[in-house]
Amino acid sequence: EADIYQTPRYLVIGTGKKITLECSQTMGHDKMYWYQQDPGMELHLIHYSYGVNSTEKGDLSSESTVSRIRTEHFPLTLESARPSHTSQYLCASSGSGDEAFFGQGTRLTVV
Amino acid sequence: KNQVEQSPQSLIILEGKNCTLQCNYTVSPFSNLRWYKQDTGRGPVSLTIMTFSENTKSNGRYTATLDADTKQSSLHITASQLSDSASYICVVSDRGSTLGRLYFGRGTQLTVWP
Repeated sequence: EADIYQTPRYLVIGTGKKITLECSQTMGHDKMYWYQQDPGMELHLIHYSYGVNSTEKGDLSSESTVSRIRTEHFPLTLESARPSHTSQYLCASSGSGDEAFFGQGTRLTVV
Repeated sequence: KNQVEQSPQSLIILEGKNCTLQCNYTVSPFSNLRWYKQDTGRGPVSLTIMTFSENTKSNGRYTATLDADTKQSSLHITASQLSDSASYICVVSDRGSTLGRLYFGRGTQLTVWP
């Protein structure tokens, strides 16, 4: 079992609200990632980080932002949620090898 | 363009039967290829990793193959069980960056019926 945790698991929120999805790992991994996945579709990289104070945008344009103030913590924030943000968000981390360890995901529904 | 293509998109088999999932990639330079299993509503979990020099690797009832020349991989599942029902995702890592960029296929949705 990988030591990477996401909260909340499920979130239903109204349009216009600000939300933060939490992701923490206890493996000391430098690399962390956020993926967005719609049902039955592939994972799309939206943000990644090489280490503390390093963040980059991924392939899929996203209105979300991320921060990496501590190695173990990589939160994702949406300033104003919209129904188009409804999706599953998966956080992952990797160390010196290439294996990505995924969290359980956060299923976000914006109504 | 670096891409990972998987087939079939979905597959239904009866419990106890075998099946083979395919993955074709154009990622270059190639570092390694992993097969992940993703249960519904959960994050993917790595099943096997194949490096350039490896042709076959087994993990219990899962056997992965890699042909680096044709850039193809397969995942063979033997004696399927109901718990094998999941999405199987092929992920290729490149050596083009210091971070080992990951490229994901869309996955094959496997359903095992009793």
